[in-house]
Amino acid sequence: QLQLQESGPGLVQPSETLSLTCAVSGGSITTVTYYWGWIRQPPGKGLEWIGTISSSGTPYYNPSLKSRVTISLDTSNNQFSLKLSSVTAADTAVYYCARQPHYHDSGTLKHEGFDYWGQGTLVTVSS
Amino acid sequence: QTVVTQESSFSVSPGGTVTLTCGLSSGSVSSTNFPSWYRQTPGQAPRTLIYSTNIRSSGVPDRFSGSLLGNKAALTITGAQADDESVYYCVLYMGSGISVFGGGTKLTVL
Repeated sequence: QLQLQESGPGLVQPSETLSLTCAVSGGSITTVTYYWGWIRQPPGKGLEWIGTISSSGTPYYNPSLKSRVTISLDTSNNQFSLKLSSVTAADTAVYYCARQPHYHDSGTLKHEGFDYWGQGTLVTVSS
Repeated sequence: QTVVTQESSFSVSPGGTVTLTCGLSSGSVSSTNFPSWYRQTPGQAPRTLIYSTNIRSSGVPDRFSGSLLGNKAALTITGAQADDESVYYCVLYMGSGISVFGGGTKLTVL
C-alpha cells in the first residue's frame, strides 16, 4: 500500500523559505507512470495546486507561485521536496503531497488526477 | 489565468439525487482535461472519488458517477446519505503538467 508522509517545520518566519519533504513508501518515485504533486489549503479555504514533478525530475509550477517555488526529487531517499521562498502570512496553510498517475498508453495520454494523498502538515508563517 | 468554477453550495434531501458541476471561466471542459473529483471532510485529507471524467476510484460506491454535461464536468450522487455531507472539489488538467482546482462545493444533506 502506497503511503505518503509530509514533514518539515510547522512555523516559518515571514520572508524566509518554507521547506517540506514528502517521504514515499510502498512504491518508487522513479516509476515512469507517476508524477508527484504538492497542494495546499489555507485555513477555511479551498485547495490550491502548487506544482508537480515528473518521475524524471521535470517540474511544473502554478503560474501564480512559479517565481517562488522549487520542487525536486531525492531518489536516494525515495522522497520529493517543496521549497517556497519569501513567505508571508498568506502562505499559511495545510500542505499536502500526492501522487498523480500520468503516462502514455499506446500513444494516448492518460492522466488520473491525484490518487494517493499524504495526511497534510500545517505550516504557519508568523514571527 | 484559468479559473475552474463550481457551485459554492448545494443541498439535497436524504435519498435524493444531486449533480455538481465543474466548468471553465473560458471554454468547455472536455475529456482531455481528465476531470477528477474529490471529497473532503473537516480535518481530513481529500479522498479521490472519480478520475478521467467517469472512472470511480477503488472502493467508491457506484452511487457516485462522473460525466460530461454540456460544456462542464459533472459529479452525480444518487441516493444521498447523511455522511455525503462534505466539500467536493474538481480538478482539471490543463496540459503542460498544470492542474487547476475548482473552489469546491459544500454539499448539505437535509
